[in-house]
Amino acid sequence: AQSVTQLGSHVSVSEGALVLLRCNYSSSVPPYLFWYVQYPNQGLQLLLKYTSAATLVKGINGFEAEFKKSETSFHLTKPSAHMSDAAEYFCAVTLSTGNQFYFGTGTSLTVIP
Amino acid sequence: ETGVTQSPTHLIKTRGQQVTLRCSSQSGHNTVSWYQQALGQGPQFIFQYYREEENGRGNFPPRFSGLQFPNYSSELNVNALELDDSALYLCASKAGGLWDYNEQFFGPGTRLTVL
Repeated sequence: AQSVTQLGSHVSVSEGALVLLRCNYSSSVPPYLFWYVQYPNQGLQLLLKYTSAATLVKGINGFEAEFKKSETSFHLTKPSAHMSDAAEYFCAVTLSTGNQFYFGTGTSLTVIP
Repeated sequence: ETGVTQSPTHLIKTRGQQVTLRCSSQSGHNTVSWYQQALGQGPQFIFQYYREEENGRGNFPPRFSGLQFPNYSSELNVNALELDDSALYLCASKAGGLWDYNEQFFGPGTRLTVL
């Protein structure tokens, strides 16, 4: 079975501080991993994706994530938080042989001025 | 280019009723997926349609059913509504089929409340 676990349902950082949102996956086959962001009353927007190419993936809005197979992790980072980064973030996994996405329970990011 | 649109934006139903939610996929996209997002949870996969046929289904009962039309728009139907069906229902579309890992684009969702 495939799944993702997001550690920390709520994360607060100061504006300008490092953002680190954690995601660990479980997959019986090489996974495809994604990070999505959801603003209030909106759908999901893709931040970045890992599809077995480079392990360090750069996404939009200054976010990046590193695929670490040995740690089964795909943590999301941003060097300097901005007020506009406050949102809900979801990690998701899909198989190399299928399209069903499995989402984590989400991490709510608060940015403190 | 028009993105994924969903209608209605909000809906209130009572237990036992039936509901139909609609999704228009992004131009050029022939695959549509539906997700249920309960409050405080991540989206849960309901099913996916490709070329008007269901080609994947999550752990949802048969009272959740769908259709995809020749123009690739889609409907989600839920019969015999239960209180736990209250959620945000998201539609996502992408180009290609089962073996294409193209980006899914999500619509804004339909907020269903069951009383």
